[in-house]
Amino acid sequence: DVKVTQSSRYLVKRTGEKVFLECVQDMDHENMFWYRQDPGLGLRLIYFSYDVKMKEKGDIPEGYSVSREKKERFSLILESASTNQTSMYLCASRGGLAGGDYEQYFGPGTRLTVT
Amino acid sequence: QKEVEQNSGPLSVPEGAIASLNCTYSDRGSQSFFWYRQYSGKSPELIMSIYSNGDKEDGRFTAQLNKASQYVSLLIRDSQPSDSATYLCAVSPRRGGADGLTFGKGTHLIIQP
Repeated sequence: DVKVTQSSRYLVKRTGEKVFLECVQDMDHENMFWYRQDPGLGLRLIYFSYDVKMKEKGDIPEGYSVSREKKERFSLILESASTNQTSMYLCASRGGLAGGDYEQYFGPGTRLTVT
Repeated sequence: QKEVEQNSGPLSVPEGAIASLNCTYSDRGSQSFFWYRQYSGKSPELIMSIYSNGDKEDGRFTAQLNKASQYVSLLIRDSQPSDSATYLCAVSPRRGGADGLTFGKGTHLIIQP
C-alpha cells in the first residue's frame, strides 16, 4: 500500500510566523504535490516536484515555497503566515510516466489555522 | 483554464439503490481520470481510475468514460450508508507524470437508510 504521511494533523500558528509542513512517501514516487482545500473552492495545486531539488509552481504559489532534498520528502513552507492561509493542506505523490503507477495518493492532511 | 464540473448536490439515494455521479471536463486532451471519495474532515481516498473509453468495474463501483463527450461517471451499486461522502472527479493530461490533477468541487452523496 502506498503510504503518504504528513507531520501534523492540526497546527495553529500566529500571523507572521514561518511554518513548515512536512510530507513523506514510501513508494519511491518521482512526483509529489501540495494542494490546499477550502470550502467552495475545492482542491487547488500550490506546488509540485518531479525530482529531487526540482520544483514547479502550481495554480496558487503566492506566499508559499517548497523544498525537496530527498526523493521521499517534500516540504511546504509558509514564509510569513497570514490568516488567508488558514486551510486544509494535502500532500500527494504519484508515479512517473515509465513506472506504470499513474495514480495519485494523498496524505491525511494538515489543518492549519493562522490567528 | 482547465475545468472539471460536477453537480454539488446533495444527491440523495435510498439504501440498496444505484447512485450515479457525473463529471464533465474541458480539456479534450485529458488522458487520466479518477474518482476520489472524501469523508468530512478526511483526505481524499482514490476509489477508481480509468484511462480508456468504456466501463471499468471494481466491486460495487463502475467508472464510465466517454472522451468524445468529455464525460466521466461513477456508478455505485447496492448503495450503503457508509457510501455517504463527497465524491471528487479529477482529470490529468497524461498517464502518470508530474502533472497535478484538476479536481471538480465534488458531489455530496447521501445514502438514506
